[in-house]
Amino acid sequence: QKEVEQNSGPLSVPEGAIASLNCTYSDRGSQSFFWYRQYSGKSPELIMSIYSNGDKEDGRFTAQLNKASQYVSLLIRDSQPSDSATYLCALLSGGYQKVTFGTGTKLQVIP
Amino acid sequence: EAQVTQNPRYLITVTGKKLTVTCSQNMNHEYMSWYRQDPGLGLRQIYYSMNVEVTDKGDVPEGYKVSRKEKRNFPLILESPSPNQTSLYFCASTGGANQPQHFGDGTRLSIL
Repeated sequence: QKEVEQNSGPLSVPEGAIASLNCTYSDRGSQSFFWYRQYSGKSPELIMSIYSNGDKEDGRFTAQLNKASQYVSLLIRDSQPSDSATYLCALLSGGYQKVTFGTGTKLQVIP
Repeated sequence: EAQVTQNPRYLITVTGKKLTVTCSQNMNHEYMSWYRQDPGLGLRQIYYSMNVEVTDKGDVPEGYKVSRKEKRNFPLILESPSPNQTSLYFCASTGGANQPQHFGDGTRLSIL
Protein backbone atom coordinates (compact mmCIF):
# COMPACT_ATOMS: atom_id res chain seq x y z
CA GLN A 1 0.00 0.00 0.00
CA LYS A 2 1.32 3.42 -0.92
CA GLU A 3 1.91 5.79 1.96
CA VAL A 4 -0.19 8.51 0.38
CA GLU A 5 -2.85 7.65 -2.18
CA GLN A 6 -4.57 9.99 -4.59
CA ASN A 7 -6.69 9.31 -7.63
CA SER A 8 -4.61 10.50 -10.58
CA GLY A 9 -7.64 11.75 -12.48
CA PRO A 10 -8.21 13.70 -14.52
CA LEU A 11 -11.12 15.02 -12.54
CA SER A 12 -13.27 17.17 -14.81
CA VAL A 13 -15.75 19.66 -13.38
CA PRO A 14 -17.70 22.47 -15.03
CA GLU A 15 -16.86 26.06 -14.22
CA GLY A 16 -18.64 27.18 -11.08
CA ALA A 17 -19.00 23.68 -9.64
CA ILE A 18 -17.41 22.23 -6.52
CA ALA A 19 -14.30 20.13 -7.08
CA SER A 20 -13.61 17.47 -4.44
CA LEU A 21 -10.12 16.03 -4.16
CA ASN A 22 -9.33 13.17 -1.83
CA CYS A 23 -6.23 11.69 -0.25
CA THR A 24 -5.76 8.70 2.03
CA TYR A 25 -2.66 7.86 4.01
CA SER A 26 -1.29 4.90 5.90
CA ASP A 27 0.89 6.40 8.65
CA ARG A 28 -1.22 7.07 11.72
CA GLY A 29 1.66 9.07 13.17
CA SER A 30 1.31 11.74 10.52
CA GLN A 31 1.18 15.15 12.11
CA SER A 32 0.67 17.77 9.46
CA PHE A 33 -1.12 17.75 6.14
CA PHE A 34 -0.73 20.01 3.15
CA TRP A 35 -2.35 20.59 -0.21
CA TYR A 36 -0.19 22.00 -3.00
CA ARG A 37 -1.19 23.11 -6.47
CA GLN A 38 1.19 22.51 -9.33
CA TYR A 39 0.81 23.87 -12.82
CA SER A 40 2.51 21.94 -15.59
CA GLY A 41 6.26 22.51 -15.53
CA LYS A 42 6.08 24.74 -12.45
CA SER A 43 6.94 24.24 -8.81
CA PRO A 44 4.33 23.26 -6.23
CA GLU A 45 2.70 26.10 -4.32
CA LEU A 46 0.94 25.76 -0.99
CA ILE A 47 -2.85 25.97 -1.02
CA MET A 48 -3.82 24.80 2.45
CA SER A 49 -2.32 23.29 5.57
CA ILE A 50 -4.30 21.45 8.24
CA TYR A 51 -3.15 19.96 11.50
CA SER A 52 -6.23 18.88 13.47
CA ASN A 53 -9.44 17.02 12.72
CA GLY A 54 -12.23 18.97 11.11
CA ASP A 55 -12.58 21.59 8.44
CA LYS A 56 -10.41 24.57 7.63
CA GLU A 57 -11.63 27.19 5.20
CA ASP A 58 -9.66 29.77 3.24
CA GLY A 59 -11.58 31.63 0.57
CA ARG A 60 -12.86 29.15 -2.01
CA PHE A 61 -10.82 26.33 -0.50
CA THR A 62 -11.78 24.01 2.35
CA ALA A 63 -9.50 21.31 3.71
CA GLN A 64 -10.99 18.45 5.71
CA LEU A 65 -9.03 16.09 7.94
CA ASN A 66 -10.22 12.87 9.52
CA LYS A 67 -7.35 11.16 11.33
CA ALA A 68 -9.46 8.21 12.49
CA SER A 69 -10.30 7.34 8.89
CA GLN A 70 -6.90 8.51 7.64
CA TYR A 71 -8.06 10.79 4.91
CA VAL A 72 -7.71 14.41 4.02
CA SER A 73 -9.68 16.19 1.33
CA LEU A 74 -9.74 19.51 -0.47
CA LEU A 75 -12.91 21.19 -1.71
CA ILE A 76 -12.73 23.96 -4.26
CA ARG A 77 -15.93 25.98 -4.52
CA ASP A 78 -16.89 28.00 -7.59
CA SER A 79 -14.18 26.28 -9.63
CA GLN A 80 -12.45 28.43 -12.23
CA PRO A 81 -10.51 27.44 -15.35
CA SER A 82 -7.43 28.85 -13.62
CA ASP A 83 -7.83 26.12 -10.98
CA SER A 84 -6.93 23.55 -13.63
CA ALA A 85 -3.73 22.01 -12.29
CA THR A 86 -2.42 18.99 -10.46
CA TYR A 87 -3.14 18.95 -6.73
CA LEU A 88 -0.65 17.25 -4.47
CA CYS A 89 -1.44 15.93 -1.02
CA ALA A 90 1.52 15.86 1.37
CA LEU A 91 1.99 14.82 4.94
CA LEU A 92 4.68 15.23 7.55
CA SER A 93 5.54 12.35 9.82
CA GLY A 94 8.42 10.57 11.48
CA GLY A 95 10.09 13.66 12.78
CA TYR A 96 11.33 16.80 11.17
CA GLN A 97 10.91 17.19 7.46
CA LYS A 98 10.13 13.61 6.49
CA VAL A 99 7.60 14.73 3.96
CA THR A 100 5.69 12.31 1.76
CA PHE A 101 3.76 13.42 -1.29
CA GLY A 102 0.97 11.72 -3.14
CA THR A 103 1.26 11.40 -6.90
CA GLY A 104 -1.33 14.11 -7.40
CA THR A 105 -4.78 14.51 -8.91
CA LYS A 106 -5.14 16.38 -12.16
CA LEU A 107 -8.10 18.74 -12.12
CA GLN A 108 -9.67 20.12 -15.29
CA VAL A 109 -12.23 22.90 -14.98
CA ILE A 110 -14.29 23.11 -18.14
CA PRO A 111 -15.46 26.64 -19.14
CA GLU B 1 11.71 38.87 -2.00
CA ALA B 2 11.63 35.57 -0.12
CA GLN B 3 12.73 32.84 -2.47
CA VAL B 4 14.52 29.57 -3.09
CA THR B 5 16.90 29.78 -6.03
CA GLN B 6 18.11 26.78 -7.98
CA ASN B 7 20.74 26.68 -10.68
CA PRO B 8 20.91 25.63 -13.40
CA ARG B 9 17.28 25.50 -14.52
CA TYR B 10 18.08 23.13 -17.35
CA LEU B 11 21.04 20.83 -17.94
CA ILE B 12 21.82 18.20 -20.53
CA THR B 13 24.92 16.16 -19.77
CA VAL B 14 26.44 12.74 -20.26
CA THR B 15 26.75 9.67 -18.10
CA GLY B 16 29.53 9.82 -15.55
CA LYS B 17 30.24 13.54 -15.68
CA LYS B 18 29.99 14.94 -12.17
CA LEU B 19 27.52 17.76 -11.71
CA THR B 20 26.23 19.99 -8.95
CA VAL B 21 22.86 21.67 -8.70
CA THR B 22 22.95 24.64 -6.37
CA CYS B 23 20.17 25.73 -4.06
CA SER B 24 20.05 28.88 -1.99
CA GLN B 25 17.35 30.37 0.23
CA ASN B 26 17.14 33.87 1.69
CA MET B 27 14.56 33.19 4.40
CA ASN B 28 16.96 32.01 7.12
CA HIS B 29 15.20 28.63 7.12
CA GLU B 30 16.75 25.79 9.06
CA TYR B 31 15.20 22.98 7.06
CA MET B 32 15.99 22.25 3.42
CA SER B 33 15.17 19.32 1.15
CA TRP B 34 15.75 17.97 -2.31
CA TYR B 35 13.07 16.18 -4.32
CA ARG B 36 12.86 14.57 -7.70
CA GLN B 37 9.64 14.40 -9.66
CA ASP B 38 8.93 11.71 -12.21
CA PRO B 39 5.72 10.98 -14.15
CA GLY B 40 3.48 8.60 -12.23
CA LEU B 41 5.76 8.61 -9.21
CA GLY B 42 5.18 12.09 -7.88
CA LEU B 43 7.60 14.01 -5.70
CA ARG B 44 10.09 11.86 -3.84
CA GLN B 45 12.43 13.16 -1.20
CA ILE B 46 16.14 12.58 -1.89
CA TYR B 47 17.82 14.20 1.11
CA TYR B 48 16.90 16.69 3.75
CA SER B 49 18.79 18.83 6.22
CA MET B 50 17.65 20.08 9.60
CA ASN B 51 20.53 22.49 10.11
CA VAL B 52 24.11 23.23 9.15
CA GLU B 53 26.13 20.00 8.99
CA VAL B 54 22.99 17.91 9.70
CA THR B 55 21.65 15.92 6.77
CA ASP B 56 19.65 12.72 6.41
CA LYS B 57 18.47 10.41 3.66
CA GLY B 58 15.02 10.64 2.22
CA ASP B 59 13.29 7.97 0.19
CA VAL B 60 15.60 7.85 -2.85
CA PRO B 61 19.15 8.87 -1.83
CA GLU B 62 21.12 6.41 -3.97
CA GLY B 63 23.45 8.14 -6.41
CA TYR B 64 23.20 11.55 -4.74
CA LYS B 65 25.20 13.52 -2.21
CA VAL B 66 24.43 16.73 -0.39
CA SER B 67 26.22 19.11 1.91
CA ARG B 68 25.11 21.87 4.25
CA LYS B 69 28.08 24.00 5.14
CA GLU B 70 26.07 27.20 5.34
CA LYS B 71 22.49 27.73 6.42
CA ARG B 72 21.39 29.28 3.14
CA ASN B 73 22.94 26.75 0.73
CA PHE B 74 22.13 23.10 0.10
CA PRO B 75 23.76 21.79 -3.09
CA LEU B 76 22.86 18.46 -4.67
CA ILE B 77 25.78 16.53 -6.10
CA LEU B 78 25.67 13.74 -8.65
CA GLU B 79 29.13 12.21 -8.58
CA SER B 80 28.55 9.85 -11.52
CA PRO B 81 25.20 10.62 -13.13
CA SER B 82 23.31 7.90 -14.94
CA PRO B 83 20.33 8.07 -17.32
CA ASN B 84 17.91 6.93 -14.58
CA GLN B 85 18.63 10.21 -12.81
CA THR B 86 17.02 12.14 -15.64
CA SER B 87 14.26 13.97 -13.83
CA LEU B 88 12.84 17.27 -12.63
CA TYR B 89 14.48 18.30 -9.36
CA PHE B 90 13.15 20.67 -6.74
CA CYS B 91 14.85 22.22 -3.76
CA ALA B 92 12.67 23.37 -0.88
CA SER B 93 13.09 25.08 2.46
CA THR B 94 10.94 25.28 5.56
CA GLY B 95 10.84 27.69 8.44
CA GLY B 96 10.22 25.07 11.10
CA ALA B 97 8.70 21.73 11.99
CA ASN B 98 5.10 21.39 10.81
CA GLN B 99 5.55 24.23 8.36
CA PRO B 100 4.97 23.92 4.60
CA GLN B 101 7.71 23.80 2.03
CA HIS B 102 8.79 26.73 -0.13
CA PHE B 103 9.95 25.38 -3.47
CA GLY B 104 12.50 26.59 -5.97
CA ASP B 105 11.57 26.80 -9.66
CA GLY B 106 13.03 23.39 -10.44
CA THR B 107 15.96 22.00 -12.42
CA ARG B 108 15.33 19.75 -15.38
CA LEU B 109 18.21 17.32 -15.75
CA SER B 110 18.73 15.12 -18.80
CA ILE B 111 21.52 12.57 -18.61
CA LEU B 112 22.40 10.89 -21.87
